[in-house]
Amino acid sequence: NAGVTQTPKFRVLKTGQSMTLLCAQDMNHEYMYWYRQDPGMGLRLIHYSVGEGTTAKGEVPDGYNVSRLKKQNFLLGLESAAPSQTSVYFCASSNRPGTDTQYFGPGTRLTVL
Amino acid sequence: AQSVTQLGSHVSVSEGALVLLRCNYSSSVPPYLFWYVQYPNQGLQLLLKYTSAATLVKGINGFEAEFKKSETSFHLTKPSAHMSDAAEYFCAVSAPMGFQKLVFGTGTRLLVSP
Repeated sequence: NAGVTQTPKFRVLKTGQSMTLLCAQDMNHEYMYWYRQDPGMGLRLIHYSVGEGTTAKGEVPDGYNVSRLKKQNFLLGLESAAPSQTSVYFCASSNRPGTDTQYFGPGTRLTVL
Repeated sequence: AQSVTQLGSHVSVSEGALVLLRCNYSSSVPPYLFWYVQYPNQGLQLLLKYTSAATLVKGINGFEAEFKKSETSFHLTKPSAHMSDAAEYFCAVSAPMGFQKLVFGTGTRLLVSP
């Protein structure tokens, strides 16, 4: 099993460009999450999904959109990138919230110039 | 609402010394508590979790943590540090009912010197 995979691993964008980050999991998990990690701030939840076809806003959703058309995939989109979105993005999945372990992907390092 | 505070953004120990990483939580209901570790250029992986069973929780790689309700703490310890323990450690909290997101602390970087 690959677990949680993310593509791409690195990306550099110019301000105003758009891009989509792909997360895939092969554990048949219902719940999927997108976080951003910034120095000194820990991980902050951007959006999450409680099942195929559902999405919900997390702590810092502005400037991002998500889609969960297939159970195993969770896409994070930036329609018009801004320098403030320079960060490391992590996807995670779990069977249930609360007690269940969240399994994390290796991350995508995004720089917006 | 839940929150966690990790005291010390950096902790330095010598190889073989005791590791103590501090985490205090705030929660209006009995919480679930987690410690995750992040090695350089990798994602997070679970070290251990407390879900209202035994208050002393043992995890992977010789780490353990004790839930102390009276002190609202969940400190992570390891009796003897190894060079391979150098990483960033995150404490996180969630609540047991409904969908409750995982709230992370700001992290503590553990440095281990020979």
